[in-house]
Amino acid sequence: DQQVKQNSPSLSVQEGRISILNCDYTNSMFDYFLWYKKYPAEGPTFLISISSIKDKNEDGRFTVFLNKSAKHLSLHIVPSQPGDSAVYFCAASPSAGAQKLVFGQGTRLTINP
Amino acid sequence: KAGVTQTPRYLIKTRGQQVTLSCSPISGHRSVSWYQQTPGQGLQFLFEYFSETQRNKGNFPGRFSGRQFSNSRSEMNVSTLELGDSALYLCASSTEGHTYEQYFGPGTRLTVT
Repeated sequence: DQQVKQNSPSLSVQEGRISILNCDYTNSMFDYFLWYKKYPAEGPTFLISISSIKDKNEDGRFTVFLNKSAKHLSLHIVPSQPGDSAVYFCAASPSAGAQKLVFGQGTRLTINP
Repeated sequence: KAGVTQTPRYLIKTRGQQVTLSCSPISGHRSVSWYQQTPGQGLQFLFEYFSETQRNKGNFPGRFSGRQFSNSRSEMNVSTLELGDSALYLCASSTEGHTYEQYFGPGTRLTVT
């Protein structure tokens, strides 16, 4: 049972435009959500997170939006840069203090010059 | 601070053998989690250790085990290896603060033949 889903395996975006990566979840007990970026031959790198008590969190070019009623979150990257090309994972944490992350399958983002 | 380190980076084993993977967390991090990444299943949580105790466990068979030492370093062991155990094994460390970000190592690529 896939509790965190990223339905788009890949996404291609022109440099300078907005990249929007989507993630859906089914478990209403999740209370913290994170995005990770992964380059080949490296471990995932933490990007940005959001608590379930917020609906938006911004960090530079990266913004995460959370819609709890729809159980949906998205990551916006503006403007997209070639170095953003990577696999992006959405992850969710069930209950306070739990270190167990549930990951989506990942979306491969390609930024075209 | 030095990041999470994992040894070895690559490993080739034969079916039926056992293997031990090592992880050194970021200095000051007391929680260490292990994940398995495969093309078909994505990133899946194996277990988490905190203060030498297993605190969380994923849905993996008993062939997968781990331990944590007093210096927070952790080892993961897989016994009676199967072809399906071929994967990238990732270790992540974190603090016990109010955020849940985990910092990943580069992983150990295990190939079972």
